[in-house]
Amino acid sequence: EAQVTQNPRYLITVTGKKLTVTCSQNMNHEYMSWYRQDPGLGLRQIYYSMNVEVTDKGDVPEGYKVSRKEKRNFPLILESPSPNQTSLYFCASSRQGITDTQYFGPGTRLTVL
Amino acid sequence: GDSVTQMEGPVTLSEEAFLTINCTYTATGYPSLFWYVQYPGEGLQLLLKATKADDKGSNKGFEATYRKETTSFHLEKGSVQVSDSAVYFCALGVDTDKLIFGTGTRLQVFP
Repeated sequence: EAQVTQNPRYLITVTGKKLTVTCSQNMNHEYMSWYRQDPGLGLRQIYYSMNVEVTDKGDVPEGYKVSRKEKRNFPLILESPSPNQTSLYFCASSRQGITDTQYFGPGTRLTVL
Repeated sequence: GDSVTQMEGPVTLSEEAFLTINCTYTATGYPSLFWYVQYPGEGLQLLLKATKADDKGSNKGFEATYRKETTSFHLEKGSVQVSDSAVYFCALGVDTDKLIFGTGTRLQVFP
């Protein structure tokens, strides 16, 4: 089954404790991206990647890092989480870019205390 | 900069009513336009898209036309169902690699 998986689905952590949210797709897609969803703000793009070893900043990259060492994986790293990063995070992938259908993961709800 | 503005919700309708959710955009160049839908507890799904002016996207009874002259991409459906209850996001694609979403409009359909 074609899908985008994210782990964990739920995470409660404390300020400053490094964490990684994994994202994996099994569709051989070149384009992957991360979004955060906040009430009243919709979805905002954090980072995106056009292909292996190619990443670029979205609209809200501060406090986040990503890597794309393999085509299927695109982890989101929070080196020192802060409470304002409490949010619902979505990973997405598509064949080549944003004009192709984006397939979204189920979301990761992160709470930073 | 590039941006998307969509009507605030919630939009509350009775089953079989006509739906319009307004979306306008600001962009340089020639963006692509999308409507995504998010059902409760799920990620977003592409509903329809249009990649150039005057294109009409359609899917599952929903339609939207890319109007360059009014910079709009309004979502319409002639007869909504309870199962259409969800949050709808208008989105703008720029430079082939960035997606900019609106804030979302919650639709509630009652029997």
